[in-house]
Amino acid sequence: LAKTTQPISMDSYEGQEVNITCSHNNIATNDYITWYQQFPSQGPRFIIQGYKTKVTNEVASLFIPADRKSSTLSLPRVSLSDTAVYYCLVGDLTGNQFYFGTGTSLTVIP
Amino acid sequence: NAGVTQTPKFRVLKTGQSMTLLCAQDMNHEYMYWYRQDPGMGLRLIHYSVGEGTTAKGEVPDGYNVSRLKKQNFLLGLESAAPSQTSVYFCASRPPGSFGQYFGPGTRLTVT
Repeated sequence: LAKTTQPISMDSYEGQEVNITCSHNNIATNDYITWYQQFPSQGPRFIIQGYKTKVTNEVASLFIPADRKSSTLSLPRVSLSDTAVYYCLVGDLTGNQFYFGTGTSLTVIP
Repeated sequence: NAGVTQTPKFRVLKTGQSMTLLCAQDMNHEYMYWYRQDPGMGLRLIHYSVGEGTTAKGEVPDGYNVSRLKKQNFLLGLESAAPSQTSVYFCASRPPGSFGQYFGPGTRLTVT
């Protein structure tokens, strides 16, 4: 079970791009990387997943270097509503044990 | 689609009482999960199921039991509640071939 390490908290001003990096040194060949967003008093929301290189959707981009030992979630032009905790998870599609960790608490400042 | 729903939303129990939390999903997902989240902490996996009639232990299974008699429902039981089980409980589901889990809104349980 690959564990992950993320910064505990980050602050950003509205309109800026925010990059949250996650370390996963023990990632296995079949593992995917997934990011979730959680607002207070709500369940986590699946944002994006990737295996290698770059993935982009309407919410975020995910950058994964060639060695896959880390990944970076990029949120373009954040707004106050992006204030949340962001979790990085690593695991394979056949497994069902997921390590959420404590996540990164992002605060967007006006 | 309602997605993943959880019943009840809030519950207060006395030590030693029992209760069952219900999770239902209408997305025909094979895999279902129960997590607990304590204040300021990440989610920890209690039990999971890879299909109807199957269950398996997660990271923190002690004190809990689960059942998956129907594909769309995953029940979490507390036989004898303890104050240490005060937490927010989240249910999730996902289809095979995708890593993304879909979460319910949570059940806030307080054991006094």
